[in-house]
Amino acid sequence: EIVLTQSPGTLSLSPGERATLSCRASQSVSNSFLAWYQQKPGQAPRLLIYGASTRATGIPDRFSGSGSGTDFTLTISRLEPEDFAVYYCQQYGSSPYTFGQGTKLEIK
Amino acid sequence: EVQLAESGGGLVQPGRSLRLSCAASGFTFGDYAMHWVRQAPGKGLEWVSGISWNSGSIGYADSVKGRFTISRDNAKDSLYLQMNSLRAEDTALYYCAKAQSSYYNFMAVWGKGTTVAVSS
Repeated sequence: EIVLTQSPGTLSLSPGERATLSCRASQSVSNSFLAWYQQKPGQAPRLLIYGASTRATGIPDRFSGSGSGTDFTLTISRLEPEDFAVYYCQQYGSSPYTFGQGTKLEIK
Repeated sequence: EVQLAESGGGLVQPGRSLRLSCAASGFTFGDYAMHWVRQAPGKGLEWVSGISWNSGSIGYADSVKGRFTISRDNAKDSLYLQMNSLRAEDTALYYCAKAQSSYYNFMAVWGKGTTVAVSS
């Protein structure tokens, strides 16, 4: 099973700042089959990025994903108030699929 | 609009069984793979199981293998999760999710979830 480790656990930033979230895999994620999700309190998760770097439909271009192999990054270029939430990475390159433990992005 | 509506959750004693359902609408259900994902109270997301469009490919998390069974009825636009030998650690909000393609890859659209509580 591939273990995904997200860092930092909590990120405190202000609106307008740039956010960089990391997801590291215990072994290479085949074909860069890595997705990112956003979850707000009391809501279901929402798909942001798949294939490491492809934005899902309707996702603003301030969200971008990069990386390959074992190291992946989600970048939010300029934080909007609605971006403060928990973010999860997920690998779907090998079963069983796994999620990272999440990064909480909070307002500073 | 794609809609996924989970049902069947509730309070159940350890060792008992429960069957979750997910009713899909707004897309051609039989063309897409589906997933179950759960979230324990205050915790992160855990993939439970996935099933391809024709049930030909199925996968499970190690934590539920041998106890849970995923299935689907394309004629009824429905996904199911049969949960046997339930344990306290199965307590969670269970989400149904639509994959992007006919094979279960990532979770493109999520339902609102149904809550399962395992306790004596």
